[in-house]
Amino acid sequence: NAGVTQTPKFQVLKTGQSMTLQCAQDMNHNSMYWYRQDPGMGLRLIYYSASEGTTDKGEVPNGYNVSRLNKREFSLRLESAAPSQTSVYFCASSALGGVPLDTQYFGPGTRLTVL
Amino acid sequence: KNEVEQSPQNLTAQEGEFITINCSYSVGISALHWLQQHPGGGIVSLFMLSSGKKKHGRLIATINIQEKHSSLHITASHPRDSAVYICAVRYRNTGNQFYFGTGTSLTVIP
Repeated sequence: NAGVTQTPKFQVLKTGQSMTLQCAQDMNHNSMYWYRQDPGMGLRLIYYSASEGTTDKGEVPNGYNVSRLNKREFSLRLESAAPSQTSVYFCASSALGGVPLDTQYFGPGTRLTVL
Repeated sequence: KNEVEQSPQNLTAQEGEFITINCSYSVGISALHWLQQHPGGGIVSLFMLSSGKKKHGRLIATINIQEKHSSLHITASHPRDSAVYICAVRYRNTGNQFYFGTGTSLTVIP
C-alpha cells in the first residue's frame, strides 16, 4: 500500500496563476484533510472532508477550494495564487473522522512557492 | 483561542540520554496526538491518547488531563531520533479539527 500520496512534490507559481494539488489514499479511509505548514507555525487545517461527498472549512480556508472526487481522492485548488500561499501543503487521511482517537496518516507534502 | 504550547523549542542531547518534550493546552480535549516529522519533511504518527500512558519501544507518552499537559519521553536516545516532534490536540468543542503546536526540534549527537 502506498498510503497517502500527493502530487506534485514541488511547484513554483507566479502570482495570479491557478493550480490543483492532488491527494489520494489507498487505505479506504473516510476522512481526508488539507493542511499548510509555515515556518514558526504549527500545521493549520485548510479544509477537510469527513466523508465522501462532504467538505468543511478549517482554520484557514480563504483562497482555497477543495473537491472530494471520490473516497480515494481529495484535491486542493488555488484559483489565483498569492505569495502568502507559499507554504508546504500536507494531505492526511483517517479511517473514521469524528472519533476522538482516530489517527491521521500524512502524505509526503507539496512545497509550493508563489512568486 | 485554542493554543498548544510545546517546550523546549530546540533540544540537543548526547546519544543515550533520556529526553522529555512537553506539551500543554488550554481547554478540555478529547484526544492528543504526538507526531514525528523527519528531516526530509515526512510526518508520521507516534501516539494518540486521551488518558494515562502509552509505550512503544523507546518512546513513552503520558497525559495529565487535570493539568492539561502531556509529555513525550525518549529513553536511550539515538541519532536516528533526530527530528521535529509535534503535539496536536482535538478539543471537545471543535469537533473534527486538530490544533498543532509548533514542534520541538531534537538533535541527538553521537
